[in-house]
Amino acid sequence: SQTIHQWPATLVQPVGSPLSLECTVEGTSNPNLYWYRQAAGRGLQLLFYSIGIDQISSEVPQNLSASRPQDRQFILSSKKLLLSDSGFYLCAWAPNRGTGELFFGEGSRLTVL
Amino acid sequence: GQQVMQIPQYQHVQEGEDFTTYCNSSTTLSNIQWYKQRPGGHPVFLIQLVKSGEVKKQKRLTFQFGEAKKNSSLHITATQTTDVGTYFCAGNQAGTALIFGKGTTLSVSS
Repeated sequence: SQTIHQWPATLVQPVGSPLSLECTVEGTSNPNLYWYRQAAGRGLQLLFYSIGIDQISSEVPQNLSASRPQDRQFILSSKKLLLSDSGFYLCAWAPNRGTGELFFGEGSRLTVL
Repeated sequence: GQQVMQIPQYQHVQEGEDFTTYCNSSTTLSNIQWYKQRPGGHPVFLIQLVKSGEVKKQKRLTFQFGEAKKNSSLHITATQTTDVGTYFCAGNQAGTALIFGKGTTLSVSS
């Protein structure tokens, strides 16, 4: 069966520090991968999605970036965090030729102070 | 760009009352999906609707997709405390990424 792992689960970072959130999927190959952000009391904002290695589409211009160095690994990064980057970050995957149903990781809660 | 709007943002009901959340898209959708997020948790897929006018039921939950494929609703009959959470609709056009509504947060008092 397929599983998705996301870490770290919680982190507190100072403004201006770098960020790296990692996500890996097991039990499937060539998945579509996604990063969403959920600000407090708000909906899910699509940040990046990827249909293959090194193929990244950005939905919202910001100081975040994403990379997919391996088929089942998706990384969200920032060189310098802003206060507004605080939120709940969710990685998700979907079968490459599935019905589009998303399977979410447990999420990473980021607080920037 | 494509927008998916959802109302109401919050809804509080007494246990046993019905609940409905509505979803509207600015464009015609290829399909619409519904997710539930429990407090502190991550969104979990509930159902997908594809056909115009489609209606699907899951126990006390009824999902509808509009004839024009631009709106959808989720109705819960006789709510229970286990129904608490945020319900999201999400839709896309063919070949595009899924766009989520802002969600409806349901609270239920017993």
